[in-house]
Amino acid sequence: KAGVTQTPRYLIKTRGQQVTLSCSPISGHRSVSWYQQTPGQGLQFLFEYFSETQRNKGNFPGRFSGRQFSNSRSEMNVSTLELGDSALYLCASSPTSNYGYTFGSGTRLTVV
Amino acid sequence: TQLLEQSPQFLSIQEGENLTVYCNSSSVFSSLQWYRQEPGEGPVLLVTVVTGGEVKKLKRLTFQFGDARKDSSLHITAAQPGDTGLYLCAGAPQDGEKLTFGTGTRLTIIP
Repeated sequence: KAGVTQTPRYLIKTRGQQVTLSCSPISGHRSVSWYQQTPGQGLQFLFEYFSETQRNKGNFPGRFSGRQFSNSRSEMNVSTLELGDSALYLCASSPTSNYGYTFGSGTRLTVV
Repeated sequence: TQLLEQSPQFLSIQEGENLTVYCNSSSVFSSLQWYRQEPGEGPVLLVTVVTGGEVKKLKRLTFQFGDARKDSSLHITAAQPGDTGLYLCAGAPQDGEKLTFGTGTRLTIIP
């Protein structure tokens, strides 16, 4: 059974650029959540999608956006990158919310 | 915003010792989950507890959900180097609401 796949694994971008991260959940999982992890702030919730609809949203600026496709695959986009956006971005999937998440290995984004 | 405070923040003990990690909140959660994360990887789910007072055992790990569903603990017996990692608790006030993660406990087991 394939796990949650996140691509790319590592990314280096320049301030002001935009970036798109991809997440393929476990087959059959309809809930996909995104988290930002930094040493200082820990795991911060970005948003959750369930059956292509954004169901929950964290306290991040509008530069952070996401979407979910009909096959449950999800993407998140960050526009006008800032140095503070450097972090590990984690995607997690679940059959339903709060059942227990399976996380991907994350995308390590570095903004220079 | 529900806050989950974990203690201790850092813990370093010798192999074979026992330890307990705590996860506390002033809010009620419908369920609590525990994860372990190793460097460079995503968290891995260890257990989900849903009933107040519930106790679950996973080999040398014992998880307890508080009676009031506001807190949880993780007890490890005879710790081994493989237990080293970042332990995270997570909960949501109701099913379908966002899952909030705790501040984490970084555990190091010294051989």
